[in-house]
Amino acid sequence: GENVEQHPSTLSVQEGDSAVIKCTYSDSASNYFPWYKQELGKGPQLIIDIRSNVGEKKDQRIAVTLNKTAKHFSLHITETQPEDSAVYFCAASPGGSYIPTFGRGTSLIVHP
Amino acid sequence: EADIYQTPRYLVIGTGKKITLECSQTMGHDKMYWYQQDPGMELHLIHYSYGVNSTEKGDLSSESTVSRIRTEHFPLTLESARPSHTSQYLCASSDTSGSPIEQFFGPGTRLTVL
Repeated sequence: GENVEQHPSTLSVQEGDSAVIKCTYSDSASNYFPWYKQELGKGPQLIIDIRSNVGEKKDQRIAVTLNKTAKHFSLHITETQPEDSAVYFCAASPGGSYIPTFGRGTSLIVHP
Repeated sequence: EADIYQTPRYLVIGTGKKITLECSQTMGHDKMYWYQQDPGMELHLIHYSYGVNSTEKGDLSSESTVSRIRTEHFPLTLESARPSHTSQYLCASSDTSGSPIEQFFGPGTRLTVL
């Protein structure tokens, strides 16, 4: 089955800095890669996703890149703000599967 | 407003009690899921359903059971709660018509078994 590794487990940055979270996956059949943000006391919420036919996708301050050959994908947050502090999960889904495999999560702390 | 709801949000009970965690969604999604989230943040899939009268066990062995009698409702039951069941339980749903497979999560139920 699919295996997703996520690093780092904790990331501490100063407000205004950039943050990068990296994930690797094992199943070359995976073709959908969502990123979820979980704020304290809430369930995870999708913030951006990318499909395997695209190398990069941006939405304002967040971007995701995908390298299919190396089987890794990354989340980039620029100009971080305190409200970006949360736990971030990456996931991978093989085509035809409705069950994503999640990474272990990254706790991002943005210091004012 | 279309959403996914979980009740109760917090529950503290004694060992041996039977409990049911409720999950309902108003989005008409066919697929629903239960995850157990440990203090280290990791999400573990414990049950899922592809539609009415369909239930499957997930990757993490769980002593809980689920039912799916109605599309919008996916309750999780523990027949006899134990301290090892103390955890955060997250319900999610997804719609498989159209674009994939975004999961919508409820706010979670934090369960403490004394």
